[in-house]
Amino acid sequence: NAGVMQNPRHLVRRRGQEARLRCSPMKGHSHVYWYRQLPEEGLKFMVYLQKENIIDESGMPKERFSAEFPKEGPSILRIQQVVRGDSAAYFCASSPRGDGNQPQHFGDGTRLSIL
Amino acid sequence: AQKVTQAQTEISVVEKEDVTLDCVYETRDTTYYLFWYKQPPSGELVFLIRRNSFDEQNEISGRYSWNFQKSTSSFNFTITASQVVDSAVYFCALSEVAGGNQFYFGTGTSLTVIP
Repeated sequence: NAGVMQNPRHLVRRRGQEARLRCSPMKGHSHVYWYRQLPEEGLKFMVYLQKENIIDESGMPKERFSAEFPKEGPSILRIQQVVRGDSAAYFCASSPRGDGNQPQHFGDGTRLSIL
Repeated sequence: AQKVTQAQTEISVVEKEDVTLDCVYETRDTTYYLFWYKQPPSGELVFLIRRNSFDEQNEISGRYSWNFQKSTSSFNFTITASQVVDSAVYFCALSEVAGGNQFYFGTGTSLTVIP
């Protein structure tokens, strides 16, 4: 499967725990985007990364959330000390260039549930 | 302010009917891109079409067609002879060249095709 791979597909955490969501972009894509979809809502941009760099994190909550895209390995979205309001579907997308012209190819998402 | 508005939250049609999903966008950029994505019940996001701001030609792909009108800032999507498999949530999205690389998504239109 050459598409965007996200894992896990479903993740359950208790309040206060940490959640780590992984995203491997499509082959040849070096631009990664994370979006959050709350129930019954559209996708909201969180962060845009290139290899080893955060380009735009204007949509990231100021606390508890962080993202990285290391030189080797997948991009990671990390949520510390999760709260009930973090329950959502988190989608990762990738594109070959970051000029806004290219369609972003999405993974299947990670459904995060906080108990 | 919402950059992409999908005023229709839910639509139900009977199979074989035609249906149009509305999308109105707002931008000050002269160069921008518009997209439609489909999210079936399984949850993944499927890219349907990309249109740039300089190309107002309508496009047809099988039973799908798109009507882009800059004068009204609209990018509507029509499904002809709808089928049950068309049941999904459809998202319209905007990407601004000058505004960074994030996509702005509408809140989606949930389409149910009744057999």
